[in-house]
Amino acid sequence: DQQVKQNSPSLSVQEGRISILNCDYTNSMFDYFLWYKKYPAEGPTFLISISSIKDKNEDGRFTVFLNKSAKHLSLHIVPSQPGDSAVYFCAARGPGNMLTFGGGTRLMVKP
Amino acid sequence: EAGVTQFPSHSVIEKGQTVTLRCDPISGHDNLYWYRRVMGKEIKFLLHFVKESKQDESGMPNNRFLAERTGGTYSTLKVQPAELEDSGVYFCASSQPSGSWAEAFFGQGTRLTVV
Repeated sequence: DQQVKQNSPSLSVQEGRISILNCDYTNSMFDYFLWYKKYPAEGPTFLISISSIKDKNEDGRFTVFLNKSAKHLSLHIVPSQPGDSAVYFCAARGPGNMLTFGGGTRLMVKP
Repeated sequence: EAGVTQFPSHSVIEKGQTVTLRCDPISGHDNLYWYRRVMGKEIKFLLHFVKESKQDESGMPNNRFLAERTGGTYSTLKVQPAELEDSGVYFCASSQPSGSWAEAFFGQGTRLTVV
C-alpha cells in the first residue's frame, strides 16, 4: 500500500510557464513533506520542504503548497527553465526521520 | 565538504554471487539510511542507523540482506546470495543527529544488476 503517491509519471511544460507537480498521501502522522530533484545517474537532491503546520513555503522560483484536509501537496515552479528538467520526488517524513517517497514525476521543460 | 559517497557506482553480478555496497556519510551525521529504487519505481526505505545501531530495519526485504555500520562511520550493505529481483539502484543518505531537523543528503547511488 503506497502511502505517498504521485499520479502523474510525466509532465511537459514550455519554458517560462508554470510547472505544477502534485502529490497525495494517506498517513496523517507525517509531519514534514519534502521535494527532491533527481538528475540521471545522480542521487536525489533536496529542493524544498514544508512543515505539516504550514500551508505554504516559498523559495525563489519554487513554492510548495500543503492542503492537510485533502492530504495533498503540490510544487509550483515559476518560471520554468530547461535546467529544471529532471525527476521530482515527493517525500513525507515519519518517525525517526524516515522518508516515504512517491514514484516520481518526470518534468520536461521545453525551450 | 565531501557529500555522501557510495562505492561502487555500478555492479553487475551473476545470480547467486555476493555483492557488498559501501556508503560513506557526511562527517558528523549520526543518521544513515539505505534506500532502494527498483525498476524506476518509488524509492523505498530499507533501514536506518543511528551511529552504529540499527534504529529501524523494517524495510529490509529478507535475510539475504545484511547491513553494518562499524564504529558509526561508513556502512556496508551486503547481498548474499543475490537474486534477479535485487537489481536496482541503492541509495544511501545521511542526516544530522536526531533533534535537529535537517534534510537527508543522498549519495549518487549504486546501480546493481543481477544477471
